[in-house]
Amino acid sequence: QLQLQESGPGLVKPSETLSLTCTVSGGSINTTDNYWGWIRQPPGEALEWIGSMYYTGSSFYNPSVRSGVVISVDMSKNQFSLKLASVAARDTATYYCVRRTRPRSGFDSWGQGILVTVSS
Amino acid sequence: EIVLTQSPATLSLSPGERATLSCRATQILGINLAWYQQKPGQPPRLLIYNASKRATGIPPRFSGSGSGTDYTLTISSLEPEDFAVYYCQQRSNWPPLCNFGQGTKVEI
Repeated sequence: QLQLQESGPGLVKPSETLSLTCTVSGGSINTTDNYWGWIRQPPGEALEWIGSMYYTGSSFYNPSVRSGVVISVDMSKNQFSLKLASVAARDTATYYCVRRTRPRSGFDSWGQGILVTVSS
Repeated sequence: EIVLTQSPATLSLSPGERATLSCRATQILGINLAWYQQKPGQPPRLLIYNASKRATGIPPRFSGSGSGTDYTLTISSLEPEDFAVYYCQQRSNWPPLCNFGQGTKVEI
């Protein structure tokens, strides 16, 4: 069974770069038709899609999330990562790594989530 | 950008009752719509994908319908474990951008 696990710092200072990693187990990242992505949820608020990367490496990002977002993949470690530059307090949220399998419209696998607080 | 509007914001029902949740889009979505259930402290769980297909392990009391810009999630008879927040989510054909509605809370 596919499992996703987020890791990274739980506290980031304003203006610094948020870096998270998602480790995939029970399956390979390098699998046809899979999109790997990140979704976040500020405390008490709705879900927000940040972006996704196709298994070939093509990336797509939410234009409503400001520039400075990069999703990348490390096939050798079966991991993908998120970098969000110049964070501010509004970036405080629980960050989930997810998978979507084309042509399905939904994200069928989720990590447990990691709370990242932006504060000095 | 496609905007999803869910209604109502809160639905107050009793176990055994039928729940009808709405999701309206600002553009035609075709089948590119999914529904999720989220309980406190847990990640969302995919219920419905491609507008009407139940995800693996989802009981038949959950059903999705709709087309064009109007979609519905129906829970035919609420079980105690169904009280939660529900989100709809769309995916554009190309580029494959996604976004979520603001959620509907189903409360006892």
